[in-house]
Amino acid sequence: AQSVSQHNHHVILSEAASLELGCNYSYGGTVNLFWYVQYPGQHLQLLLKYFSGDPLVKGIKGFEAEFIKSKFSFNLRKPSVQWSDTAEYFCAVNAASGSARQLTFGSGTQLTVLP
Amino acid sequence: DTAVSQTPKYLVTQMGNDKSIKCEQNLGHDTMYWYKQDSKKFLKIMFSYNNKELIINETVPNRFSPKSPDKAHLNLHINSLELGDSAVYFCASSPFGGTQYFGPGTRLTVL
Repeated sequence: AQSVSQHNHHVILSEAASLELGCNYSYGGTVNLFWYVQYPGQHLQLLLKYFSGDPLVKGIKGFEAEFIKSKFSFNLRKPSVQWSDTAEYFCAVNAASGSARQLTFGSGTQLTVLP
Repeated sequence: DTAVSQTPKYLVTQMGNDKSIKCEQNLGHDTMYWYKQDSKKFLKIMFSYNNKELIINETVPNRFSPKSPDKAHLNLHINSLELGDSAVYFCASSPFGGTQYFGPGTRLTVL
């Protein structure tokens, strides 16, 4: 079974600061990787995903993530955060093959951006 | 044009009661899921159905029973509610093996 760890429980930044949220996964096979965002009181929205190809993927709202297979990592980055980026960020993984494709989530990182 | 919808959005009930949460998707997806998000925001899969067939059944008390009347619907029935069942329950759908899209969540509070 796969597992996901997010290193930072709570990150506090000022507007315009750069962001990097860590995500590492554990799984013996090929995986699909995702970052979801949950704004306060809202549902999860997909930020970006990696299935195959270019390991640097770009998502919505200026976010990007890089898949480094040798490090089992899929870190999320944004060069300049805004107050509206305040939210909970979840890294998730599922197996790229097989009949059951449930997402395994990390424990989430709460990002607070100070105006 | 809501993609994944859930009802109700809030559910407050007494211990021991039985309640249901409904989920519908209009995306034409084959697969639907139920996740539970606890008070620490941790998300965990509960069930998954593909074309109305149960394919994932995690370690969940058998008081929880999913039911999929058709591909577009996946309901969750909970018997004999307990305090520990208080959480936000999210429904999601996806093409088989594809990206999952989540509903708005149902916040269940058991008193």
